[in-house]
Amino acid sequence: TQLLEQSPQFLSIQEGENLTVYCNSSSVFSSLQWYRQEPGEGPVLLVTVVTGGEVKKLKRLTFQFGDARKDSSLHITAAQTGDTGLYLCAGYNYNNNDMRFGAGTRLTVKP
Amino acid sequence: DSGVTQTPKHLITATGQRVTLRCSPRSGDLSVYWYQQSLDQGLQFLIQYYNGEERAKGNILERFSAQQFPDLHSELNLSSLELGDSALYFCASSVTSGSPDTQYFGPGTRLTVL
Repeated sequence: TQLLEQSPQFLSIQEGENLTVYCNSSSVFSSLQWYRQEPGEGPVLLVTVVTGGEVKKLKRLTFQFGDARKDSSLHITAAQTGDTGLYLCAGYNYNNNDMRFGAGTRLTVKP
Repeated sequence: DSGVTQTPKHLITATGQRVTLRCSPRSGDLSVYWYQQSLDQGLQFLIQYYNGEERAKGNILERFSAQQFPDLHSELNLSSLELGDSALYFCASSVTSGSPDTQYFGPGTRLTVL
C-alpha cells in the first residue's frame, strides 16, 4: 500500500489541453515535493511546498498544498509535448526524517 | 546533468551474486540518498548518509548495505541477489540532511538479475 496515492496513474492528452494530477495521503507531511522524471533519467525537482494552503506557480505549472498538509495537486495549463514524463510527488516528515514517494502519474502529451 | 554520477549504468548478474553500485555526489553536497525504482513498487527510499554517517533508513533489505566514504562518495552493496532485486537504483545528493532541501538525482544504475 502506497502512503501517497497519485491519480490518475496514466494520462494521455492533446497538446494545448489543461490537466490536473493529484497526490493524496492520510498522513500529514512537513513538506511535499513534486518531481518530473523522463525515461532513462533520474527525477528532477520541480517544486517544494511547505505551508498548508500554499500555491506555487512555475510558468504553466501550478502546485497547491492542501490546507491540512495531507494532499497536493499539480495543474498544467496548455500542455506541451515537452511536459511528457512521470510526475512524482514525495512527502517528507521532519519528525522521523522520512521521505516517501508516490507511484507517479505518467503523462503523455500528444502533438 | 545533475552533477551526480553513478556507475555502472547497466549491470547484469545472476541470482545469488553480490554487486556494488557507486555514487559520487555533487561537489559540496554532504548527503547521499539511495532509492530503488521498480515498475510495481515505484520509487522506494532505501537509506541516507550525511557526512559519512547513516542518517535515515527506509525500506532497505538486510541483504543490502551502504556506506559513505570520507571523500563523500557512496557505495550500495547488494548481496544474495534475487530476481525481484532487478530495478533501477538511483542515488541522490543534497547539501544538508533534512528537508525541504533539493535532492539531485543521478542517472541511475539498471540492475538485471537473471
